[in-house]
Amino acid sequence: DTAVSQTPKYLVTQMGNDKSIKCEQNLGHDTMYWYKQDSKKFLKIMFSYNNKELIINETVPNRFSPKSPDKAHLNLHINSLELGDSAVYFCASSQDSGTGVSPTNEKLFFGSGTQLSVL
Amino acid sequence: GQNIDQPTEMTATEGAIVQINCTYQTSGFNGLFWYQQHAGEAPTFLSYNVLDGLEEKGRFSSFLSRSKGYSYLLLKELQMKDSASYLCAVRRSNDYKLSFGAGTTVTVRA
Repeated sequence: DTAVSQTPKYLVTQMGNDKSIKCEQNLGHDTMYWYKQDSKKFLKIMFSYNNKELIINETVPNRFSPKSPDKAHLNLHINSLELGDSAVYFCASSQDSGTGVSPTNEKLFFGSGTQLSVL
Repeated sequence: GQNIDQPTEMTATEGAIVQINCTYQTSGFNGLFWYQQHAGEAPTFLSYNVLDGLEEKGRFSSFLSRSKGYSYLLLKELQMKDSASYLCAVRRSNDYKLSFGAGTTVTVRA
């Protein structure tokens, strides 16, 4: 019954590898996000999709590629992993995309996070 | 861009009150959120302010002053389970992007 679920919870890998993190939400929300939380606990947005369309793409290396096969799923693929990619990655969803019409519909529901360690 | 400042750590006693301040600078303001994050867990929504004033929700209240670029989260009757990080997040009006502060770690002692 988990609202936003992401897998895996832990990911340990070597530099240079390619890895994917999967995310699914069963809330019927239109918008999904990927956030990165670094060791200093800053939570920074990476990508946002609304109904499978990319609406936010922050300054993120193009080694990171999101894919949204449908509005309930948003996966994150990372190529050529680097040491600096080590962080916790959170998937999130919200009912709306941030148009400001109904701000409380834009509260985020987060997944439990994926702790990525690049060795 | 946005600058969001909040204290790094606060400690309080069970049953007491703690006030977590958040100041922000943004090119356009469209709402302020507070989230709670327990260690090793995901953030969860606590409150939302877009107009000046106090929003009360049980033991938690959030205040906003847009002219001062200031908000606070007030936690009353502290319980041990309130030990967590509290994140202030500001949404920008031009593109509705949400930016988070670094969070304030609150430790509740018996």
